[in-house]
Amino acid sequence: QSALTQPTSVSGSPGQSITISCTGTSSDVGGYNYVSWYQQHPGKVPKLMIYEVSDRPSGVPDRFSGSKSGNTASLTISGLQAEDEADYYCSSYAIGTTLVFGGGTKLTVL
Amino acid sequence: QVQLVESGGGVVQPGRSLRLSCAASGLTFSNFGMHWVRQAPGKGLEWVAIVRYDGTNEYYADFVKGRFIISRDNSKNTLYLQMNSLRAEDTAVYFCARDFGTGYVLDYWGQGTLVTVSS
Repeated sequence: QSALTQPTSVSGSPGQSITISCTGTSSDVGGYNYVSWYQQHPGKVPKLMIYEVSDRPSGVPDRFSGSKSGNTASLTISGLQAEDEADYYCSSYAIGTTLVFGGGTKLTVL
Repeated sequence: QVQLVESGGGVVQPGRSLRLSCAASGLTFSNFGMHWVRQAPGKGLEWVAIVRYDGTNEYYADFVKGRFIISRDNSKNTLYLQMNSLRAEDTAVYFCARDFGTGYVLDYWGQGTLVTVSS
């Protein structure tokens, strides 16, 4: 049950697009289409942004999109806005009926 | 609306036990699997355990197997986490979260309760 690998930080200017990667193995990300992404502002509760690789819950702007290729999933935020500045975590269902999170990525909007 | 409210956190000595609760409202509790997730101060999210909607199966992260027990009482709309043999590294905010239905998607989260393991 090793954590998924995410970059520690990414940054972008308002209006730009950024992508956060999430790398696992064939036992988690690569083996199932059950990758989710969560946004967490400082001191706040995590919020589900993407589930099942690319689906958005109701209320999440379509600026947020997800994809997957092999053992790596990605979250793309287009038209970056100041309120997008937060920590982002990926997660994946994993073999053994478990869940594994990524280490988290701090997004800075310049 | 869905509300999840954790309680039971506090300061506990290493080796001792603590039981967390998560009271659910605004949902048909018995229809959903429920998770515990923790977050150590300044660190990332770490999945702890899940219990199925009817309490028949539980699954755990390796680091808590044999020490923590997740359970639920559907008649009380309440989720529990019994934590035994606590260690300093178990210090964290513990969140309960609802399982969306497939693939361990956590769509509603409580505010969390802080557990501090210290002598």
